[in-house]
Amino acid sequence: EVQLVQSGAEVKKPGESLRISCKGSGYTFTTYWISWVRQMPGKGLEWMGRIDPSDSYTKYSPSFQGPVTISADKSISTAYLQWNSLEDSDTAMYYCARLSPPDSYSGSPRYFDYWGQGTLVTVSS
Amino acid sequence: QSALTQPASVSGSPGQSITISCTGTSDDVGRYRYVSWYQHHPGKAPKLMIYDVTNRPSGVSTRFSGSKSGNTASLTLSGLQAEDEADYYCSSFTSSNTYVFGTGTKVTVL
Repeated sequence: EVQLVQSGAEVKKPGESLRISCKGSGYTFTTYWISWVRQMPGKGLEWMGRIDPSDSYTKYSPSFQGPVTISADKSISTAYLQWNSLEDSDTAMYYCARLSPPDSYSGSPRYFDYWGQGTLVTVSS
Repeated sequence: QSALTQPASVSGSPGQSITISCTGTSDDVGRYRYVSWYQHHPGKAPKLMIYDVTNRPSGVSTRFSGSKSGNTASLTLSGLQAEDEADYYCSSFTSSNTYVFGTGTKVTVL
């Protein structure tokens, strides 16, 4: 059974650093890209970026290029989302999601087939 | 990359059919057949309901169907049931090799 299990809720102060995790199991971790998705309170889903765990190549949404870092450790089948300096506006639920196998025409995955349970990050002074 | 446009809310009575639209541009929805739909109950992980515009994953009810015309994709829920009450999001691959979600639609079963 494919599972993505995320780390627990975090409460942090502005300016602090944070790394949350997403551990994959039930499949070959390096075969599928992992994405991170943000949901701010009362708002919709936003795609942040993705990583290919086989070579750690990343692609970010222009809206998230810079403020966050996506990484992966394939030896432990885990992807990460990291902040060096949190802001109040980072308060949100964060989901990791596995991207589907690539399409033979475009070479790119087309949809998110499995999701983690979410990690709630609260930033408050 | 702007979010795809969805109606904020759609409602229907049990047994009725409703349709949720998802409007993008020629750089996303209009360019590829890589539109997917997700059901999201608050506090739970989103669930894939439709992929590649029209395809249902194994285990998803046949009451859910998808379509696309030009820059607008649609999700239709037939035979509406109380358990269908949730938020629904569309998503598309884009010409920038990124992904974009819709603004989300709250479905209410009256």
